Amino acid sequence: DTAVSQTPKYLVTQMGNDKSIKCEQNLGHDTMYWYKQDSKKFLKIMFSYNNKELIINETVPNRFSPKSPDKAHLNLHINSLELGDSAVYFCASSQESRANTEAFFGQGTRLTVV
Amino acid sequence: AQSVTQPDIHITVSEGASLELRCNYSYGATPYLFWYVQSPGQGLQLLLKYFSGDTLVQGIKGFEAEFKRSQSSFNLRKPSVHWSDAAEYFCAVGQAAGNKLTFGGGTRVLVKP
Repeated sequence: DTAVSQTPKYLVTQMGNDKSIKCEQNLGHDTMYWYKQDSKKFLKIMFSYNNKELIINETVPNRFSPKSPDKAHLNLHINSLELGDSAVYFCASSQESRANTEAFFGQGTRLTVV
Repeated sequence: AQSVTQPDIHITVSEGASLELRCNYSYGATPYLFWYVQSPGQGLQLLLKYFSGDTLVQGIKGFEAEFKRSQSSFNLRKPSVHWSDAAEYFCAVGQAAGNKLTFGGGTRVLVKP
C-alpha cells in the first residue's frame, strides 16, 4: 500500500523529447507537490496544488506543466527536454496546504536527458 | 526570504557513537521545522517535526531534535548510531502559505563499522 507513488521510477530520454511523470496518492490528502532534486542533492519546490488548484509555481520554465485531474493525482509534463532537466523529481502530498502539516514523499523519478 | 543552512556536507561517525547534525534557519515568523532522511535511491521520510511547545522533540528511529530560537537552530541528535543510519539528512522549514518546504543542502552521514 504505497502512500505516494510515482511512475516511472527511471526515465532516460533524448533532448527535445516530451515526457510525463505520473503521481498518485491514496492518503486522501488535499495538497500535492512536485520537488526537484538536482545532482548536488539540493531540493527545491516546483509546484503545489490544493484541491486541484495551483497555489505555488516557483518560476519554473513554461516547458514544465503540472496537471491535476483530481485530488489524488498530480502529473508533470515536460516539453522539449533539456540536459539541465536531468534530476530526481519527487512528488509529495499533505493533508492541507498549511505549514504545520507533514508532507509525504514518493520514491522519486530519476530523469536522465541525453 | 526563508533559508536553511546545514553547515556539514559530510559526517563520518563510528557505529555506536553519538551523532549531531546542525541546522540553522532564517524565517521571519514562527518556524515550522522538519528533519527528513533519504536513504540511497529512496524518497524522503520524515524523522520529526517541530511546530510549537516543547523545544525538544522526539522522532522515529531514536532521533531527537532541539529547537533553539535564540540561535535559530534545530539540531538533530542520536545517542548511538546504527549502520542503517547511513543516509542523507535534510532539514527543512515550512512556509505558512502553501506549505512550501525550503530545504537545507543536506548532510551525508557515513557510518564506520
